[in-house]
Amino acid sequence: NAGVTQTPKFRVLKTGQSMTLLCAQDMNHEYMYWYRQDPGMGLRLIHYSVGEGTTAKGEVPDGYNVSRLKKQNFLLGLESAAPSQTSVYFCASSFLGDQPQHFGDGTRLSIL
Amino acid sequence: AQSVTQLDSQVPVFEEAPVELRCNYSSSVSVYLFWYVQYPNQGLQLLLKYLSGSTLVKGINGFEAEFNKSQTSFHLRKPSVHISDTAEYFCAVLNTGFQKLVFGTGTRLLVSP
Repeated sequence: NAGVTQTPKFRVLKTGQSMTLLCAQDMNHEYMYWYRQDPGMGLRLIHYSVGEGTTAKGEVPDGYNVSRLKKQNFLLGLESAAPSQTSVYFCASSFLGDQPQHFGDGTRLSIL
Repeated sequence: AQSVTQLDSQVPVFEEAPVELRCNYSSSVSVYLFWYVQYPNQGLQLLLKYLSGSTLVKGINGFEAEFNKSQTSFHLRKPSVHISDTAEYFCAVLNTGFQKLVFGTGTRLLVSP
């Protein structure tokens, strides 16, 4: 049972480039989340989804877009990467919104 | 808006000593509370959760936490730590109405021999 899988694990981008981070879960969870983790700031919610075809903004959504075309996948896009988006990105999922979240191992993204 | 405060950014402790990691939250409504652990280069794993019922909650790896509503606290404790407990620990609060987790800034537990 893979749980939550994030692709890629590491990536280096140049300012202005675009990319998509993929999150896949095999637990049939309805809710999925994208967080970013920065030193001394804990985890901050970027976007989340309460079901297939839905998305909503979190605490720090600017500069990111998301899509949930399939229940098991949640994509995070950076249209024009900026150095301020250098971070570790975590995807999580939960069966319902009030259930514990299961996390992937993270994507370490550096933007030069 | 709800918030979570973890006052200690780093807690050094010797192996087999007891430890307490502090967590305070602010919320005007009912909450669910969680502790997560993050080992180096890994994602977060759930240690324990408080949803309702007994205020003393037991989790994995010998950890426990006590929910104190009057003090709005949810401190994490372990009576005897191991080297393998070295990790970062995050407290999180879920407002039962919003269904979004808010995390504290984390406490790094450093266990030395």
